[in-house]
Amino acid sequence: SAVISQKPSRDICQRGTSLTIQCQVDSQVTMMFWYRQQPGQSLTLIATANQGSEATYESGFVIDKFPISRPNLTFSTLTVSNMSPEDSSIYLCSVGQGAAGELFFGEGSRLTVL
Amino acid sequence: GQQLNQSPQSMFIQEGEDVSMNCTSSSIFNTWLWYKQDPGEGPVLLIALYKAGELTSNGRLTAQFGITRKDSFLNISASIPSDVGIYFCVSGNTGKLIFGQGTTLQVKP
Repeated sequence: SAVISQKPSRDICQRGTSLTIQCQVDSQVTMMFWYRQQPGQSLTLIATANQGSEATYESGFVIDKFPISRPNLTFSTLTVSNMSPEDSSIYLCSVGQGAAGELFFGEGSRLTVL
Repeated sequence: GQQLNQSPQSMFIQEGEDVSMNCTSSSIFNTWLWYKQDPGEGPVLLIALYKAGELTSNGRLTAQFGITRKDSFLNISASIPSDVGIYFCVSGNTGKLIFGQGTTLQVKP
């Protein structure tokens, strides 16, 4: 399976600021996704990061709040814009591989917004 | 939207006991996956199931893809302290996978 690295692993941010999370994969992958895990909760899909085109967002998530870039098949970024305390979560990058697109995850980026 | 109902929500067991958790959905899916998440880590894939009725083992873990394609279970035999963590069922169709609410497992030595 692909090795997925995320940066930063954690950060403490001020309300109203924006933070960009980077995801680097050690091999080319077609499917890349961004998930959010709020404290004590399960994972929720934010969007599918499409290479060379705009990301596909799930219901409840919008591009203005979570802009995503995918310049090539090994790299993606997620920006959390104009942060509020409700954005305090773990953000996870994942790739889909295998017969059914099984997901493999990075270690996540834990954001705390004050 | 589509949802997976995972139960139990949490379990506190004695080391050596067997564990069973399950997941149901209102929709028919092509894939059932089981993940474990340790604190501070991303989820790690334990078992993948691709066919209705499929029964698959990975060491002390056994999982089955329900014949109706709407459910799956995960069993852990002879639990050990390192089994502690959150277990998630994941299902859906290729490119659109959703997570159950998770089962938090605690094992008392």
